[in-house]
Amino acid sequence: DIQMTQSPHSLSASLGETVSIECLTSEGISNYLAWYQQKPGKSPQLLIYYTSGLQDGVPSRFSGSGSGTQYSLKISNMQPEDEGVYYCQQGYKYPWTFGGGTKLELK
Amino acid sequence: EVQLVEFGGGLVQPGRSMKLSCVASGFTFNNYDMAWVCQAPKKGLEWVATITYDGSSTYYRDSVKGRFTISRDNAKSTLYLQMDSLRSEDTATYYCARHSRITQAMDAWGQGASVTVSS
Repeated sequence: DIQMTQSPHSLSASLGETVSIECLTSEGISNYLAWYQQKPGKSPQLLIYYTSGLQDGVPSRFSGSGSGTQYSLKISNMQPEDEGVYYCQQGYKYPWTFGGGTKLELK
Repeated sequence: EVQLVEFGGGLVQPGRSMKLSCVASGFTFNNYDMAWVCQAPKKGLEWVATITYDGSSTYYRDSVKGRFTISRDNAKSTLYLQMDSLRSEDTATYYCARHSRITQAMDAWGQGASVTVSS
């Protein structure tokens, strides 16, 4: 199975700050990396697909990058509604696997 | 509007069975692969199973192989997860999700169905 190592486990950011979340994969996944946001009591929502594709309706302050085994999600201009848990997920090979999650809070 | 609505969760004893359903609307169901993803209480997301758009292929995580069966009825726009020989570690919220073959991402999710396996 492809292991997904996500960091940090948690972080807090001030309004307007830029934050980054990293995801390392145990083997190359040909950019088939997605990012999801989950708010408390809600289902996950797709933010980024195929490393850097912005899902319809997602604000442009969210961006993704990476290649090989290293990927990242950047959130520019932190807003209150960005609080939640973020997960990376590889769709390159079964079994699909998720990172452990990063809890983002507003400072 | 794309909608996925799960039905069938609840409390079940260890060793017993439960079947979840997910009714889809707002898109052409038989054009999409579909998946189940679970989340144990206070834990992260885990992929459970995927079925191709036509039902011809299915994929499972190792821990549910031989116990869970994913299926679909395209005429009813409905996805199913038959869960047999349930264990306490299967306790989780189960989400159905639409999967895009192009992006290899899950771009629509249901609200989730809670399954508790306990005596």
